[in-house]
Amino acid sequence: AQSVTQLDSQVPVFEEAPVELRCNYSSSVSVYLFWYVQYPNQGLQLLLKYLSGSTLVKGINGFEAEFNKSQTSFHLRKPSVHISDTAEYFCAVSAPNFGNEKLTFGTGTRLTIIP
Amino acid sequence: NAGVTQTPKFRVLKTGQSMTLLCAQDMNHEYMYWYRQDPGMGLRLIHYSVGEGTTAKGEVPDGYNVSRLKKQNFLLGLESAAPSQTSVYFCASSYSAFSGELFFGEGSRLTVL
Repeated sequence: AQSVTQLDSQVPVFEEAPVELRCNYSSSVSVYLFWYVQYPNQGLQLLLKYLSGSTLVKGINGFEAEFNKSQTSFHLRKPSVHISDTAEYFCAVSAPNFGNEKLTFGTGTRLTIIP
Repeated sequence: NAGVTQTPKFRVLKTGQSMTLLCAQDMNHEYMYWYRQDPGMGLRLIHYSVGEGTTAKGEVPDGYNVSRLKKQNFLLGLESAAPSQTSVYFCASSYSAFSGELFFGEGSRLTVL
């Protein structure tokens, strides 16, 4: 079975400061990793994904994440946040040959940008 | 550019009442999913479908039924609503069974009194 842990339920950050949202996973097989973003009163949308290859993955809106197999982590980073980044962020894990029904979501991290 | 559309967006039910949530997608996706989102619990899969006429149980299927009579529509039914089913429900679709990339609707907030 796979699982994903987002240790921080809420992260407040000042505007234009950097941010890191943490995600750790557990799996006995190789993994696919995802970050989804949910803006207020909207559905989730894919921010970025790691399937294979380069461990540094770039996504939309200036976000990036790094896959670290030894630390079983996939932390999300942005060097300078904006008010519009206020949202909830979900890390998710799956695996090669696993159907989407096996996609396991974390409990989410609410990012609040302070003007 | 509708994508995934859910109706209704809000609904209040009394315990024991029934209702149906409708999900419609215009992307010709084969795969569709119903999730519920509860505070501190992330998203949990209720039921899913891998094509027209098919349905399968997810992680938390009890108390729900689904139907996929048309490829573009996926219905979620509650036959006898309970307060524990108060939640936000999300429908999602995907072009691939394995990509992990889901396209979500805006959600339906259901309150059961």
